[in-house]
Amino acid sequence: GESVGLHLPTLSVQEGDNSIINCAYSNSASDYFIWYKQESGKGPQFIIDIRSNMDKRQGQRVTVLLNKTVKHLSLQIAATQPGDSAVYFCAENIGTGFQKLVFGTGTRLLVSP
Amino acid sequence: EPEVTQTPSHQVTQMGQEVILRCVPISNHLYFYWYRQILGQKVEFLVSFYNNEISEKSEIFDDQFSVERPDGSNFTLKIRSTKLEDSAMYFCASTKDRDTEAFFGQGTRLTVV
Repeated sequence: GESVGLHLPTLSVQEGDNSIINCAYSNSASDYFIWYKQESGKGPQFIIDIRSNMDKRQGQRVTVLLNKTVKHLSLQIAATQPGDSAVYFCAENIGTGFQKLVFGTGTRLLVSP
Repeated sequence: EPEVTQTPSHQVTQMGQEVILRCVPISNHLYFYWYRQILGQKVEFLVSFYNNEISEKSEIFDDQFSVERPDGSNFTLKIRSTKLEDSAMYFCASTKDRDTEAFFGQGTRLTVV
């Protein structure tokens, strides 16, 4: 989910569970979306992307779903592992000529062994 | 795997001093970006750079900020006279094309005292 300010929503799961992280984006004209993972003290790490002409894309253990009607993006992580614990951000490209990413507030995923 | 590298990892500076943050983007990338993240907040776009000129900048990127690609490998962000509110993590990113995934560096933590 989304949140404002300093309070990140947190999703706590058990190792082996499937996780779903949601994001609402703002610009109906955005045509490119990315999910990033950020571990403490590190930069955003690319997970998966999707273009607006698709509604689903799968990677290794991850799936991104795009619902343009309600401007909603989700990230599904299969068989979540403790190493998946991090803050997850969605980002939308609002740039028309050049890339300009707008990031969501983030969701903290905590995976318990 | 190629990566974006940033130096220094942490910079402490006095208010009013100039700082230069350095980045080495991925070698075959053509588009370069700076983003920043104030502690506990979203990652925010600052500027994009292509073909040796700024392609877009945000409202944050005022006259105190400048970017430069002084040679074929480095990309720098200069803050001419730092303010307390410039304290943040600064991330450099690069992309191969306009609408492909942005790879981020590990960031420079700037602390203005």
